[in-house]
Amino acid sequence: QQQVKQSPQSLIVQKGGIPIINCAYENTAFDYFPWYQQFPGKGPALLIAIRPDVSEKKEGRFTISFNKSAKQFSLHIMDSQPGDSATYFCAASIWTGNQFYFGTGTSLTVIP
Amino acid sequence: DTEVTQTPKHLVMGMTNKKSLKCEQHMGHRAMYWYKQKAKKPPELMFVYSYEKLSINESVPSRFSPECPNSSLLNLHLHALQPEDSALYLCASSQEGQGGETQYFGPGTRLLVL
Repeated sequence: QQQVKQSPQSLIVQKGGIPIINCAYENTAFDYFPWYQQFPGKGPALLIAIRPDVSEKKEGRFTISFNKSAKQFSLHIMDSQPGDSATYFCAASIWTGNQFYFGTGTSLTVIP
Repeated sequence: DTEVTQTPKHLVMGMTNKKSLKCEQHMGHRAMYWYKQKAKKPPELMFVYSYEKLSINESVPSRFSPECPNSSLLNLHLHALQPEDSALYLCASSQEGQGGETQYFGPGTRLLVL
């Protein structure tokens, strides 16, 4: 059973556009929601993360929006660049637990 | 230094071979992980070592055998693999092994089983 649902599977935007990737979860015990970015031939790397006590977190051009009541969270990339082309995975975990549950991934292509 | 290193980068093996994948980190992390990743899929957790003890084994077939010789090293011994085991094998580490920690991933070993 997929603990975290992610959409869309792939996304193509023009440079400067604002791609949005959405994730949803069911387990209300989850209290940590990271996003990982993976370039071809590399391992995933933490991009940004949020805890459910805030509804939004920004780091540079990346913003997470979090809706606790809807059990949904999303990643927005402002002023997207070709260098942002990568696969993005959302994840969820219990802070005191011992593993992540990854979403299915979104392949983002930013066209120059 | 936030680097996790993995060797080899690529590995081709037959179904009767025995090989090992190696992972090393020098961040002082006490939790280390093995993941398997198929193309266009998320990483799937295989094993977790916490303080050099195996704490999670996600029902992985016995042809995969993990080993944690010390807190900086993690090995994955491979024996009698099947073609469907071909994948990218990722190692990761984190501070204590808790769900709220950043996991630092290595670049992976791309394995092809013939």
